[in-house]
Amino acid sequence: DVKVTQSSRYLVKRTGEKVFLECVQDMDHENMFWYRQDPGLGLRLIYFSYDVKMKEKGDIPEGYSVSREKKERFSLILESASTNQTSMYLCASSLEGGPAMGDTQYFGPGTRLTVL
Amino acid sequence: KNQVEQSPQSLIILEGKNCTLQCNYTVSPFSNLRWYKQDTGRGPVSLTIMTFSENTKSNGRYTATLDADTKQSSLHITASQLSDSASYICVVSASVTDKLIFGTGTRLQVFP
Repeated sequence: DVKVTQSSRYLVKRTGEKVFLECVQDMDHENMFWYRQDPGLGLRLIYFSYDVKMKEKGDIPEGYSVSREKKERFSLILESASTNQTSMYLCASSLEGGPAMGDTQYFGPGTRLTVL
Repeated sequence: KNQVEQSPQSLIILEGKNCTLQCNYTVSPFSNLRWYKQDTGRGPVSLTIMTFSENTKSNGRYTATLDADTKQSSLHITASQLSDSASYICVVSASVTDKLIFGTGTRLQVFP
């Protein structure tokens, strides 16, 4: 079974802090993704990566950056956390190819981040 | 604009009953459609994936249908169980942009 783990289930930070969210997958997947999920909105793509050291902006990259130094690990960084970044953050991975090719994304359990 | 709309927003049913969730999309060009189940406090888990040529696909008590002409899909749950309580998310893939467009989900609650 594919396993995607996220470093924290719950996180509380203060405005202006630098925040690191870590994601690790154990199935040698090429692709990794970061989403945020807010009530009344569908999942929104923040950043994704199709290879080590490669990153692409998603639909809402502002205020975020990412790092992928190793294939199995994809980190989401909030350089200076703000209250509007309070959300559920979901990491996902997929084998290769893209969604249009039927590639299924496997999600982690999520990190609920609260910024005070 | 590529959009995915789901209905109803929420649904309450009694254990053992059937229910049907709806998904309408305007994504073009269409590649495939997925249904995900998301338990509270968990990440989404894929239930089914359907391509343009598939009308029906089953996964246990879950049956998804797709009408590519009317751009509608449904997820039918038979003989519901308490463990079916979750959010069900419809996700459509656009072939040109190779992106996933997520619906906002239907929150299903099954009571004994």
